Amino acid sequence: DAGITQSPRYKITETGRQVTLMCHQTWSHSYMFWYRQDLGHGLRLIYYSAAADITDKGEVPDGYVVSRSKTENFPLTLESATRSQTSVYFCASKDRSLTEAFFGQGTRLTVV
Amino acid sequence: KNEVEQSPQNLTAQEGEFITINCSYSVGISALHWLQQHPGGGIVSLFMLSSGKKKHGRLIATINIQEKHSSLHITASHPRDSAVYICAAPSNFGNEKLTFGTGTRLTIIP
Repeated sequence: DAGITQSPRYKITETGRQVTLMCHQTWSHSYMFWYRQDLGHGLRLIYYSAAADITDKGEVPDGYVVSRSKTENFPLTLESATRSQTSVYFCASKDRSLTEAFFGQGTRLTVV
Repeated sequence: KNEVEQSPQNLTAQEGEFITINCSYSVGISALHWLQQHPGGGIVSLFMLSSGKKKHGRLIATINIQEKHSSLHITASHPRDSAVYICAAPSNFGNEKLTFGTGTRLTIIP
């Protein structure tokens, strides 16, 4: 199916564990983004990628790692999960030109 | 960094009312985005506009580049319009990274 998909949709993990959230898009969009959404805050950028093998930090990158070996995939890894990383995570993609962004359905992550 | 502010934070209205949500930003931009987030959590892009006005069904978005202000209007509001509406602007002019407002929670009562 065409679109942008995230997996898993829900995840509960323990403090200190490594967790990877997956994001896959079928449009070959250049840009991909990871955001977290918390009460009282707007969506905040964790990391973004302008193309395969090009990634850069966003507003709140600490504790997260990304990679982009293929254009269509942009996984987000929490190296050692902490309770403060409990959040809803959204992946998004957009083309290089002035176009709208497309969002995945989100992953609700709970760190206990 | 662009600061994006929305108002009001919460809005409750009767079905059929005309709705206005406002968004202001601090840095000159190339385009502004309006997004909708339904109770289920998914985020959908409604508009991307760089000047003037855009209309899609009962939704109208306007932008005043000089005043750094945009509005989202909903005509003949319906309970299915209940959602969180979010505006987003590039962090800097021409930048692909977006800065998001905290959203306006709209509730339409039948």
